[in-house]
Amino acid sequence: NAGVTQTPKFQVLKTGQSMTLQCAQDMNHNSMYWYRQDPGMGLRLIYYSASEGTTDKGEVPNGYNVSRLNKREFSLRLESAAPSQTSVYFCASRAIAKSSYEQYFGPGTRLTVT
Amino acid sequence: EDQVTQSPEALRLQEGESSSLNCSYTVSGLRGLFWYRQDPGKGPEFLFTLYSAGEEKEKERLKATLTKKESFLHITAPKPEDSATYLCAVRTNAGGTSYGKLTFGQGTILTVHP
Repeated sequence: NAGVTQTPKFQVLKTGQSMTLQCAQDMNHNSMYWYRQDPGMGLRLIYYSASEGTTDKGEVPNGYNVSRLNKREFSLRLESAAPSQTSVYFCASRAIAKSSYEQYFGPGTRLTVT
Repeated sequence: EDQVTQSPEALRLQEGESSSLNCSYTVSGLRGLFWYRQDPGKGPEFLFTLYSAGEEKEKERLKATLTKKESFLHITAPKPEDSATYLCAVRTNAGGTSYGKLTFGQGTILTVHP
């Protein structure tokens, strides 16, 4: 049981390049989330998917798009990377039970945009 | 707007020196407070969920408590391996959604010296 996995672990992009961050979970969770973590800013929600087939914006969605490919996979796409998107990106998932709201995080992708 | 403030920003302890981390919150209808541990270069690891004032949870040397305005993470006789960043997060009624949005504090960096 791998939990939440993310690829790649590290990435360097030039301004204007595009890329997709991949996330998968094997815990049969319904909800999935993408966060970014910046020094002094804490974790901020970019997009989330409450269930397969649905996606919604979080606090900081500008410059990003997402796809909930199936119940297991949730990808984050940067269409035209900017230096302000240099950050550590975390994917998380949450169990099905309505009384269970703790989220489980992946190991992160460290992205640098030059 | 929901706010979560953690203090201190950094805490240095000697091995065996007990102390507490604070998480104060200003939210509209608390639906859960979460504690996470984050090691350098890794994703946050779930520790505890607290739902109501007076509730307490323990795990090894860690004990989390909750009041109507704040939560404490008590660390008893810490060891160097307890060194990490500790994050707290809240889930609230804000927006009336059920997707489990969490608002995170900025974390407390704990260093335990041998």
